[in-house]
Amino acid sequence: AQSVAQPEDQVNVAEGNPLTVKCTYSVSGNPYLFWYVQYPNRGLQFLLKYITGDNLVKGSYGFEAEFNKSQTSFHLKKPSALVSDSALYFCAVRDRMNYGGATNKLIFGTGTLLAVQP
Amino acid sequence: GAGVSQSPSNKVTEKGKDVELRCDPISGHTALYWYRQSLGQGLEFLIYFQGNSAPDKSGLPSDRFSAERTGGSVSTLTIQRTQQEDSAVYLCASSQRQGGGYTFGSGTRLTVV
Repeated sequence: AQSVAQPEDQVNVAEGNPLTVKCTYSVSGNPYLFWYVQYPNRGLQFLLKYITGDNLVKGSYGFEAEFNKSQTSFHLKKPSALVSDSALYFCAVRDRMNYGGATNKLIFGTGTLLAVQP
Repeated sequence: GAGVSQSPSNKVTEKGKDVELRCDPISGHTALYWYRQSLGQGLEFLIYFQGNSAPDKSGLPSDRFSAERTGGSVSTLTIQRTQQEDSAVYLCASSQRQGGGYTFGSGTRLTVV
């Protein structure tokens, strides 16, 4: 089955510094990978996705992610963190298993809490 | 509507009672998903509806959980004989097509006392 792992429960970074939130994946076939962000007391918001093409994917709010097939990683990055980036970040992979009906749901990681200090 | 709407936003219920959670997806979105978010657990997939296909129920944790989607639009997640471990935020999402990006609702926070 497809899965993603987010090895860090929390990442702390100072405002203005670059940030990285890690994600590794395990899939059969070509991976479809996603990043979502959840701000406090709000639903999840889509940031970016990798389907095919350039390994560096640019998304919302200045975030980008690098797909690395050899390392099976899809780390989220931003060159300069803002305090307002503090939130819970989820990596996800499309599950392409067929359970006898609808397919292609997203499987999410456990989330990484990003804390940006002023 | 403009976004995915979930109701109620908060629900407190007594152990053993049944609850119904509602999700109103974005108009025209054919795919609808239910997830559960427990403290420190991340997002747990529950069930997925896609058009007229049979739903993917592989994530439902027990036979106390069921969901339906009427007319390809509104969905109701029902939890029978609630237990304290059912306490979580239940999130609904919809997408325009199979495999497309999700739009999430704000969730229903369920507390079983």
